[in-house]
Amino acid sequence: GENVEQHPSTLSVQEGDSAVIKCTYSDSASNYFPWYKQELGKRPQLIIDIRSNVGEKKDQRIAVTLNKTAKHFSLHITETQPEDSAVYFCAEASGGGADGLTFGKGTHLIIQP
Amino acid sequence: DVKVTQSSRYLVKRTGEKVFLECVQDMDHENMFWYRQDPGLGLRLIYFSYDVKMKEKGDIPEGYSVSREKKERFSLILESASTNQTSMYLCASSAGLAGDEQYFGPGTRLTVT
Repeated sequence: GENVEQHPSTLSVQEGDSAVIKCTYSDSASNYFPWYKQELGKRPQLIIDIRSNVGEKKDQRIAVTLNKTAKHFSLHITETQPEDSAVYFCAEASGGGADGLTFGKGTHLIIQP
Repeated sequence: DVKVTQSSRYLVKRTGEKVFLECVQDMDHENMFWYRQDPGLGLRLIYFSYDVKMKEKGDIPEGYSVSREKKERFSLILESASTNQTSMYLCASSAGLAGDEQYFGPGTRLTVT
């Protein structure tokens, strides 16, 4: 992987609303796109991932979309809850992740009650 | 349940000291990684290893070295610590050639004075 841009750096939404975080990448060889959630003082944990042969993947309230042509992918969280408050990192890799991940700089998601 | 452990949660060292950070995983994973995490910069890959005695440079290897003498253990070495190496260091592991999910350790917060 080369460069990953992640936006926004901070996102504040009302509880129950949806949140969208976007990432763009530059390496055409990228084929693996995971999203990690890091709660305050804790380790990053994988919440969802997508591979380049798939355009969309959903797991309950979380979905990820991938546009290979435009080289961007997005995380969608619906019906946000207080426990969704955390820092979210997108990442990409060209070898499925065995060569390490290139991370975005993170998005601090704040769920307002 | 995958467990990745790191030898220290907090470490304070003086400039010029040699520092060893140890990471152990108990799931027989082939791949192991060292990242550093800094505010506003996300996670950056320092070194990784896909087999015993094998090591590969990541994006920011300068000032660091690694050792992998046993499959379950991956050590990060700062030969001569400097203040700009004050950071949170995260170890991770993953299985197989395709990598897949990376499991992170709890992190070591290193302060170099």
